[in-house]
Amino acid sequence: RKEVEQDPGPFNVPEGATVAFNCTYSNSASQSFFWYRQDCRKEPKLLMSVYSSGNEDGRFTAQLNRASQYISLLIRDSKLSDSATYLCVVNKGTLTFGKGTMLLVSP
Amino acid sequence: EAQVTQNPRYLITVTGKKLTVTCSQNMNHEYMSWYRQDPGLGLRQIYYSMNVEVTDKGDVPEGYKVSRKEKRNFPLILESPSPNQTSLYFCASSGLAMADTQYFGPGTRLTVL
Repeated sequence: RKEVEQDPGPFNVPEGATVAFNCTYSNSASQSFFWYRQDCRKEPKLLMSVYSSGNEDGRFTAQLNRASQYISLLIRDSKLSDSATYLCVVNKGTLTFGKGTMLLVSP
Repeated sequence: EAQVTQNPRYLITVTGKKLTVTCSQNMNHEYMSWYRQDPGLGLRQIYYSMNVEVTDKGDVPEGYKVSRKEKRNFPLILESPSPNQTSLYFCASSGLAMADTQYFGPGTRLTVL
């Protein structure tokens, strides 16, 4: 298994849809987890950290499943402005970034 | 305004001509790092620094050097650039630890001919 693996997409969804991304990681000793968002040709920016109990920030919900070694990101009521690449990031002593999942939200 | 700055933003150079990409942060962050981003490969860490005069290799350090003489600056040095170093480079900083929020600079697009 690759260190951090994501479906590259693209996920094409209409406005208002709910979409979910998964990310799997190989190192069971990984300590912390994050989702970053990257717009085309721009720098990545933190979207949210992922906590063991799951956490929500507005329309975004992140979950962690340590037993199965995956994290997920759920986006409800998608907006056009959500179109971006979503990077899964795992901290195992050093940060490892997934290659990203591209989301395209259409009118 | 809290930010990470990189210069230059765009650079086209030739094989073997030494270059430096500067990175500076104004947030008094301890931790700084350099990444390169390539299509299909994602972001890969080149070097990182936990504090002044403390640097360590990331996943792809070959062909690069760094220094951390001051807390705010973390330049990336390519002593003899080669075409396989053509990439988009990002500098990042975070407060006290790697697990803190990473603040990225705007990126430097480097082409080595």
